Amino acid sequence: SQQGEEDPQALSIQEGENATMNCSYKTSINNLQWYRQNSGRGLVHLILIRSNEREKHSGRLRVTLDTSKKSSSLLITASRAADTASYFCATQPFNTGGGNKLTFGTGTQLKVEL
Amino acid sequence: DSGVTQTPKHLITATGQRVTLRCSPRSGDLSVYWYQQSLDQGLQFLIHYYNGEERAKGNILERFSAQQFPDLHSELNLSSLELGDSALYFCASSPLTGGEQYFGPGTRLTVT
Repeated sequence: SQQGEEDPQALSIQEGENATMNCSYKTSINNLQWYRQNSGRGLVHLILIRSNEREKHSGRLRVTLDTSKKSSSLLITASRAADTASYFCATQPFNTGGGNKLTFGTGTQLKVEL
Repeated sequence: DSGVTQTPKHLITATGQRVTLRCSPRSGDLSVYWYQQSLDQGLQFLIHYYNGEERAKGNILERFSAQQFPDLHSELNLSSLELGDSALYFCASSPLTGGEQYFGPGTRLTVT
């Protein structure tokens, strides 16, 4: 089953605009990660935010985490056509007993048009 | 290129058959993970191996099994295949048991 829901399901913007996608999850987490997937290909790790962090930046990416609301957002600034992809949040729970189980959200399909 | 390799890229087989998917992790990574991605179920965690030992199990069917060998490569065996098993199967690796995972390009399985 999916841990999280992502919103919106699909987003279409013009190049140069900012894109914001949101993720909600259900259980306590150790960290939350964002991945990008280009059509039918492997996932690429973008950024990891730990449960004790509230905001993190990496290049044009900004991630926020609100553990009280069990939600996260990913902001891509100054988007480019090459950012067109599906974006997934994934959570890693606490107390995995030595195992690492990433639970993925439903994904947001981002299309950046020229 | 993540450094994780998966073979084969595509696999077409009939219902009731058995297939083996292979994964080689990044050099030095001890953890290997398997995921299934389908249109109706999304991305689902199947199983995690660390240095040859099973560490976590997800929604993996009894018809599916996996192992990690001493050279750290891993195989996912799918048997008695059903139409619903058609999906993309991804392998990922990481150095230890937490943090970011590096995904391979996937194996697309089509069961006819």
